[in-house]
Amino acid sequence: DAGITQSPRHKVTETGTPVTLRCHQTENHRYMYWYRQDPGHGLRLIHYSYGVKDTDKGEVSDGYSVSRSKTEDFLLTLESATSSQTSVYFCAISDQWGSGGYTFGSGTRLTVV
Amino acid sequence: TQLLEQSPQFLSIQEGENLTVYCNSSSVFSSLQWYRQEPGEGPVLLVTVVTGGEVKKLKRLTFQFGDARKDSSLHITAAQPGDTGLYLCAGHVIQGAQKLVFGQGTRLTINP
Repeated sequence: DAGITQSPRHKVTETGTPVTLRCHQTENHRYMYWYRQDPGHGLRLIHYSYGVKDTDKGEVSDGYSVSRSKTEDFLLTLESATSSQTSVYFCAISDQWGSGGYTFGSGTRLTVV
Repeated sequence: TQLLEQSPQFLSIQEGENLTVYCNSSSVFSSLQWYRQEPGEGPVLLVTVVTGGEVKKLKRLTFQFGDARKDSSLHITAAQPGDTGLYLCAGHVIQGAQKLVFGQGTRLTINP
């Protein structure tokens, strides 16, 4: 009964190929976020969405794009994967802006070889 | 440069000991949160503090927000092996777009 699910959980891809990660929520929350987690850096924001078709860049957005055509789905695309994009990617949702906690998915471990 | 600096980054102690984890910044936050993360899972919210000087308790965990809302601490009393995990502080910066920014985390190991 998880309110937020990410797919796939694990993926190995080759350098230069496009990759799309999916985040699906059943909480009807307005705000959705993509973070990446790397050792020594904590979580860093890639992109976020404040409504259907409304998205904006985070602090590490280069090489990534996002789309949100429905409230429940937020897609993260790596246009041409590079080894530096090997990471664990987390999706999060919230119903408030600028306050309140986030609910995170279980993550996608992406390896670019 | 990390907006939120956590210390220590690694901590390994024996069961029953007390410990404190610190989260510091030069920026002012409208709220600050603590998350705990288990291997292979996403972070889970433990607490949110919003008022300068606020103290919240969650069983053996005590969270404090600094008076100036620039720092926070997490104190665990009589640590148990089940407390083992990655602890992350995160805050909404008052200036700017108020997105949630994270510290780099404290990996805590409690040895039986």
